[in-house]
Amino acid sequence: DGGITQSPKYLFRKEGQNVTLSCEQNLNHDAMYWYRQDPGQGLRLIYYSQIVNDFQKGDIAEGYSVSREKKESFPLTVTSAQKNPTAFYLCASSIAADEPYEQYFGPGTRLTVT
Amino acid sequence: KNQVEQSPQSLIILEGKNCTLQCNYTVSPFSNLRWYKQDTGRGPVSLTIMTFSENTKSNGRYTATLDADTKQSSLHITASQLSDSASYICVVIEFSGGYNKLIFGAGTRLAVHP
Repeated sequence: DGGITQSPKYLFRKEGQNVTLSCEQNLNHDAMYWYRQDPGQGLRLIYYSQIVNDFQKGDIAEGYSVSREKKESFPLTVTSAQKNPTAFYLCASSIAADEPYEQYFGPGTRLTVT
Repeated sequence: KNQVEQSPQSLIILEGKNCTLQCNYTVSPFSNLRWYKQDTGRGPVSLTIMTFSENTKSNGRYTATLDADTKQSSLHITASQLSDSASYICVVIEFSGGYNKLIFGAGTRLAVHP
């Protein structure tokens, strides 16, 4: 898991509530990413950030929002607009996004919405 | 559209035996290919990274091969151990618009039995 922490490990929410997942890294990486993992599917990119105060939508950004106010932190908010929020969420970071540097993953947060 | 296909979906082998996992991809332009190991409920951890000019790369008991002409890769595990039980994910890097995008396969779930 390197120097990336995600909290909490498990999260339970009622439908209709927004929830924020934490991701912190101490690797001094410029780029950070959020992925969603569902059973039987590959990881899918939600949002990524190449530098502080900048972020871009990934393939499945609808119903999610992010911020990048600090280099170390890239929180993900799952809004009530996300139709199927129950999933395993993984945060990652890399030195930069414009070269194929390795991405290091956090331990993940399993979100269950009922 | 699934650009990275892995087979088999799941595999059971006995401890000490060898196995080979397959990955076919259609991603273009192709930057490099990686194999990750993901333990249940954890984030993926990189095993090997290969550029398009490399044919093979080893990491201990793990050996990855790449045929960029046929767009196929394999991961060979030698003398399997119980701790090898995990999902193995093939990831192809697509370089597009100044950004290196990771395209994930769905993974092969390996179970090593005593």
